[in-house]
Amino acid sequence: DQQVKQNSPSLSVQEGRISILNCDYTNSMFDYFLWYKKYPAEGPTFLISISSIKDKNEDGRFTVFLNKSAKHLSLHIVPSQPGDSAVYFCAASATAGGTSYGKLTFGQGTILTVHP
Amino acid sequence: DTAVSQTPKYLVTQMGNDKSIKCEQNLGHDTMYWYKQDSKKFLKIMFSYNNKELIINETVPNRFSPKSPDKAHLNLHINSLELGDSAVYFCASSQVGVYEQYFGPGTRLTVT
Repeated sequence: DQQVKQNSPSLSVQEGRISILNCDYTNSMFDYFLWYKKYPAEGPTFLISISSIKDKNEDGRFTVFLNKSAKHLSLHIVPSQPGDSAVYFCAASATAGGTSYGKLTFGQGTILTVHP
Repeated sequence: DTAVSQTPKYLVTQMGNDKSIKCEQNLGHDTMYWYKQDSKKFLKIMFSYNNKELIINETVPNRFSPKSPDKAHLNLHINSLELGDSAVYFCASSQVGVYEQYFGPGTRLTVT
């Protein structure tokens, strides 16, 4: 039972264009969402996050949008650069009683390739 | 200076053996985790420790036993290794009440 799904296994974009990575979730208890980036033979690194009380969070070239009614979030990278080529994981967490117990549920990842 | 480190990076062993993977973090975090990335690339949490105390224990076979000698270390011991244990194991850490977790480089375990 995959509660977090990234339905696009891969995405290819041209340098300078926008990359849009999508993520859907089914558990309505999720209230915090994160995107991680992973290079080969390395661990995932935190990129950007969003709380369910917001619908948008921006950090430089990276923006995450959250649509709670659709249980959908997306990561926009503008402009895309070749160094952005990596696997991107969406993750979600549910806060219980005001405390994060730290359990992150991950999607299966999307391979982004940015061509020069 | 590595924030979260794991040893070894690669581990090849035979079925039935017992092996350990070590994890150390120098971020001063209180909470540490073990994740397994299977062949389908899903990252799934296995265990979580907060200040040496187990707080998350997902449905993991009893052959897997985490041990936390102090809050900077969380080791994973696996008994009677099986072919299905082949995967990449990631250690992570975070501060209490903070969602963002910092991951180690992973340990690729291959059971033959």
